[in-house]
Amino acid sequence: EDQVTQSPEALRLQEGESSSLNCSYTVSGLRGLFWYRQDPGKGPEFLFTLYSAGEEKEKERLKATLTKKESFLHITAPKPEDSATYLCAADSNYQLIWGAGTKLIIKP
Amino acid sequence: EAGVVQSPRYKIIEKKQPVAFWCNPISGHNTLYWYRQNLGQGPELLIRYENEEAVDDSQLPKDRFSAERLKGVDSTLKIQPAELGDSAVYLCASSPQGENYEQYFGPGTRLTVT
Repeated sequence: EDQVTQSPEALRLQEGESSSLNCSYTVSGLRGLFWYRQDPGKGPEFLFTLYSAGEEKEKERLKATLTKKESFLHITAPKPEDSATYLCAADSNYQLIWGAGTKLIIKP
Repeated sequence: EAGVVQSPRYKIIEKKQPVAFWCNPISGHNTLYWYRQNLGQGPELLIRYENEEAVDDSQLPKDRFSAERLKGVDSTLKIQPAELGDSAVYLCASSPQGENYEQYFGPGTRLTVT
């Protein structure tokens, strides 16, 4: 069964403290791995798409990487405005399988 | 450019009552999605449209849920009758191409069934 698991469920960091969020996937025929950011009361906002193992993409303080079994979202020197829930989703044969998200809290 | 518009933003109804949600996608986006999101979970696809055609409705509870996308633009999702377990946020998204291209989400409708 296709599955996407995100860890940790929640992460509290001090401002400037770098860390990584994990997205493990078990899907058949991965066509793409998506990262989204969701703020309270809003819909998810697209961040990155990764298509093949070894691929990396960056945006400001965020960098997403992909292996054959998992993806990481690295956050470098985060700021309080980076606080949000980060969702990953795997495109398995044209069906998006979503993880439950990691709630990231950055304390000033 | 305007984003995906949804209304209402909030809805409180009693169980067994009907409810409808409306979505207007980004102009030019042919693919439209309806999702349901429960607290602490990722979105769950209910139905996907390519223009007017529903191409994936396998997760839509068809005994009580219905959807339409007339003229391939805006869309309506209906629940009749609503049950307590339907309380959730209903998200609409659109994308410029089919099959899970980058999706743009609306703010969602928070439904509370009492």
